[in-house]
This record gives sequence, C-alpha cells and structure tokens, in this order.
Amino acid sequence: AQKITQTQPGMFVQEKEAVTLDCTYDTSDPSYGLFWYKQPSSGEMIFLIYQGSYDQQNATEGRYSLNFQKARKSANLVISASQLGDSAMYFCAMRGITGANSKLTFGKGITLSVRP
Amino acid sequence: DGGITQSPKYLFRKEGQNVTLSCEQNLNHDAMYWYRQDPGQGLRLIYYSQIVNDFQKGDIAEGYSVSREKKESFPLTVTSAQKNPTAFYLCASSVLGLGFYNEQFFGPGTRLTVL
Repeated sequence: AQKITQTQPGMFVQEKEAVTLDCTYDTSDPSYGLFWYKQPSSGEMIFLIYQGSYDQQNATEGRYSLNFQKARKSANLVISASQLGDSAMYFCAMRGITGANSKLTFGKGITLSVRP
Repeated sequence: DGGITQSPKYLFRKEGQNVTLSCEQNLNHDAMYWYRQDPGQGLRLIYYSQIVNDFQKGDIAEGYSVSREKKESFPLTVTSAQKNPTAFYLCASSVLGLGFYNEQFFGPGTRLTVL
C-alpha cells in the first residue's frame, strides 16, 4: 500500500514571502508520480504541479516548485512570493503502478493562510 | 468551455432516502472517479470507471452505487445503507494512459447533508 503524510496542522505566511509545505510518502513501487492540488474555500480541486519519480530535475510551474528528495521520500511544495489568493488547503497525492497503488492516494492536507 | 459539472452544489435529504449526485464531463475523458471528503480530511475514492458500462470499487464503496451508461456521465447514488453520508463529494475525470501523469480534473463538488 502507498501512503501520503502531511503533518503540518496549519501554516501562516506573510504576503510576498516564500513558504514550504511538507509532504512525505511511502510506497513499495519502483516508479510513481507525485501531485500537489490546491483546494480553495469554494471546494474545487486545482492541479498545481507533478513530479515523476525518475525525473532528473525538480518540477516547477510558475511560482510553484517541488523539492523532491527521493532518498528521504519527501516531495515538499514551495510557493514563492505568496499572494492572498494562495490561502487554501493544499493536498499532496501520489500514484504508483501496481494494483491498488495505481489509484491516486491523497494526504490529509495542509491549511495555508497568507497574511497581508 | 470544457470541464466537469456537478449538480446540485448543496443537497439536503432525510435519513433513509436514496439520493443521486450528478457528474457530467465534456473533456472526452475515458476515466471518471468519485471521491468523498470529510472535514479536515483528504479525499477517499468511492468508485471509478475506465470505460462505459464498467466500473470498479474504490476504498469506501459500501453504501454507494454508480452507473456509466454514457462516456460523459457518471452519477453516484448514496443509498440508505451508507451509515454516515453527510460529506463533500467530488467527481473527477482523466485521460486513460499507462503513464503516471494522468492529471485528474475535478468538478466543483456537491455538499450533501443528511438530516
């Protein structure tokens, strides 16, 4: 089975500063994909960034980057230059290749609040 | 515009009644999914379908049923057998491929409250 762990209870960041949201994972699959989603208070899930386990470089998408440390099994999301609209819940997720692991597994999420 | 629609946004039902949540997509995706989200929790997979007229149970299928008669539609029925149905329900779709990067696109969700 695969598992995603997000233990930060809630994060606060000042507008325009950078923030790191932690994610650790566990899987027995040799290959897998890691995802981050944003969920504003309205409820919809918004895809942010993807990292493949064999990708040579850390993924980046605009202000979002993924600090992927394979040996530590961590896939932290870094948001640079935070904006008020970044206030939301953030979910880390993963997908493996074998059986039940081929479905997307989500962590419990982290609440981020951006202060003006 | 392509996307996923879920209706209604809020739904109230009396205990013991079956209720059906709608999910429609015009993205031409083969795969569709239903998730349940409880307060302060992540998403848990209820059912998924990779092709018309076929679907598979997810992690928490008990008390739920689905159908996939059309590629665009994947309705979820919450039956009276579901012991704690009050939750936020999200529908998603994706292309079907062998790679990991099959991004799932989500609908706006339906918040079900059973009184």
